[in-house]
Amino acid sequence: NAGVTQTPKFRILKIGQSMTLQCAQDMNHNYMYWYRQDPGMGLKLIYYSVGAGITDKGEVPNGYNVSRSTTEDFPLRLELAAPSQTSVYFCASSYSVLGSGVGETQYFGPGTRLLVL
Amino acid sequence: GEDVEQSLFLSVREGDSSVINCTYTDSSSTYLYWYKQEPGAGLQLLTYIFSNMDMKQDQRLTVLLNKKDKHLSLRIADTQTGDSAIYFCAESMASGGSYIPTFGRGTSLIVHP
Repeated sequence: NAGVTQTPKFRILKIGQSMTLQCAQDMNHNYMYWYRQDPGMGLKLIYYSVGAGITDKGEVPNGYNVSRSTTEDFPLRLELAAPSQTSVYFCASSYSVLGSGVGETQYFGPGTRLLVL
Repeated sequence: GEDVEQSLFLSVREGDSSVINCTYTDSSSTYLYWYKQEPGAGLQLLTYIFSNMDMKQDQRLTVLLNKKDKHLSLRIADTQTGDSAIYFCAESMASGGSYIPTFGRGTSLIVHP
């Protein structure tokens, strides 16, 4: 298994440009997540999905959009890039079944470093 | 305030034990986790503990949970230079039908000779 893959690894955007960060997992996980990591600030949840066709906002969703048309893919869209969106973005996935006692082991991708100038 | 709090830095000598501490606020937390992040990489799960346990040991790692004080610790025995990384504490609980983990800011562990 490749696990969780993210593309691109690094990108520079100009203010106002748009882009899509790609995320894919081949573990048949139902949950997928997008986080951003700013220096010294830990991880902030942007959006998450509990299954294909279902997405929900996390702590910092403004300026981002997501879709989950398949179990495997969970792209993150930035429509109008702003300098405040300069960060490292991590995608993660997990297999979770409420009430089953199955733990929330998240598997993370290697990250996408985004610089908005 | 933060839901999950950790100190930002810890420096230890190679061969010593490291203890990384974490406090959390939500008493309904179901699982508590420790993740490791090496430079330029994503987070990797080290270990987790279910909230009805007090301790879990896995080779050089020992996790202690004090539910009364909402305190979680990670002890690394015989710390090596390869253990230098950022360690994240996380908690999760069922909320609105989902388990969504909350992460601390991370503790940077520096291991020196």
